[in-house]
Amino acid sequence: AQSVTQPDIHITVSEGASLELRCNYSYGATPYLFWYVQSPGQGLQLLLKYFSGDTLVQGIKGFEAEFKRSQSSFNLRKPSVHWSDAAEYFCAVGNAGNNRKLIWGLGTSLAVNP
Amino acid sequence: GAGVSQSPSNKVTEKGKDVELRCDPISGHTALYWYRQSLGQGLEFLIYFQGNSAPDKSGLPSDRFSAERTGESVSTLTIQRTQQEDSAVYLCAGATGTLGTDTQYFGPGTRLTVL
Repeated sequence: AQSVTQPDIHITVSEGASLELRCNYSYGATPYLFWYVQSPGQGLQLLLKYFSGDTLVQGIKGFEAEFKRSQSSFNLRKPSVHWSDAAEYFCAVGNAGNNRKLIWGLGTSLAVNP
Repeated sequence: GAGVSQSPSNKVTEKGKDVELRCDPISGHTALYWYRQSLGQGLEFLIYFQGNSAPDKSGLPSDRFSAERTGESVSTLTIQRTQQEDSAVYLCAGATGTLGTDTQYFGPGTRLTVL
């Protein structure tokens, strides 16, 4: 069965520091992988997604993620965090079949210190 | 409108009462999802609509939960005889098509509190 694990429940970084949020998935075939961000008072917004091709994908707001099949990972990175990046980040996995449901991780809450 | 809207934004109800939550997706989004997000939890899939196809109701937690969608527009999620464990944020999302790669566009959610 598909599953998504985000090992870090909460992360705190200083503004300007680099960031990496971890996501591990379990899926038998090539997964479709997504990162969404949920900012306070706002709806979930897609940051980036991977379904084929280049394993390093660029997203909005300066985020990127790298698909590593050997490690079953799709970690989210940003070289320099801004205070406005404080939010909840969710990794999700989908598939190419008829099942349109995404399986979601429990999220990582990011706090940014000034 | 420019985005997905949901109403009400907050709903407080008493145990045993019925509630109806509304989602108005972006025009042209044929796919519509309902999710539940409980405190400290990820998103729990509830139901999926795609065009005129039969909805995927596999995520509905009990027969107290039901949802309808009028064509490719508004959807309502109804919870009958609410229980305290139904307290959560209910999110709706739309997508343009049927592909697993399609981006889902989320509404701001309805926070339901069952006393």
